[in-house]
Amino acid sequence: DAGVIQSPRHEVTEMGQEVTLRCKPISGHDYLFWYRQTMMRGLELLIYFNNNVPIDDSGMPEDRFSAKMPNASFSTLKIQPSEPRDSAVYFCASSLISGDSYEQYFGPGTRLTVT
Amino acid sequence: GENVEQHPSTLSVQEGDSAVIKCTYSDSASNYFPWYKQELGKRPQLIIDIRSNVGEKKDQRIAVTLNKTAKHFSLHITETQPEDSAVYFCAASRNSGNTPLVFGKGTRLSVIA
Repeated sequence: DAGVIQSPRHEVTEMGQEVTLRCKPISGHDYLFWYRQTMMRGLELLIYFNNNVPIDDSGMPEDRFSAKMPNASFSTLKIQPSEPRDSAVYFCASSLISGDSYEQYFGPGTRLTVT
Repeated sequence: GENVEQHPSTLSVQEGDSAVIKCTYSDSASNYFPWYKQELGKRPQLIIDIRSNVGEKKDQRIAVTLNKTAKHFSLHITETQPEDSAVYFCAASRNSGNTPLVFGKGTRLSVIA
């Protein structure tokens, strides 16, 4: 398996523009998580899905952020409009909760810079 | 909800020495405690985890201990090597699968050759 795939790896955009981050989880995994990482706040959970259904989006900072998971192999995180304070590394992770295994496998991340 | 505190935020050790990173958690129902390592510019990766029915777990130079009564757990790295330099994150969750990991703020470990 190729692991969790994220695109793009880097995104530079101007304030006010729409940004869409994409994630393909590991095949067969039933949980998908979106995290944001900054120096100040560390790793923050934004939202997570179980079997394509959003379970908890309380970490989404505001209405400018939205996430979807239309099927088991694809998820998007959208920011509209983007602001400079959204600059961060966004990680997608997936897991399969079964038996003794709860490991979350992280993607390579998308480094977002909003100017 | 769960709150995880991690100390220290930075740690420098000489190559060959041991390193200890400590975390405390607030939710007494938490029973799964993983540690992730993140090298510069890379993704976090699981290095070891422990469940609340176990007090200690060891994997080569890495060990984790858990004190449920005090609600704290620690990562111990012995015989440190330069490639151990990274940011280490502790986390906690209930293993029901319906509650995700809550991460500590991370510890930047530097191993000086």
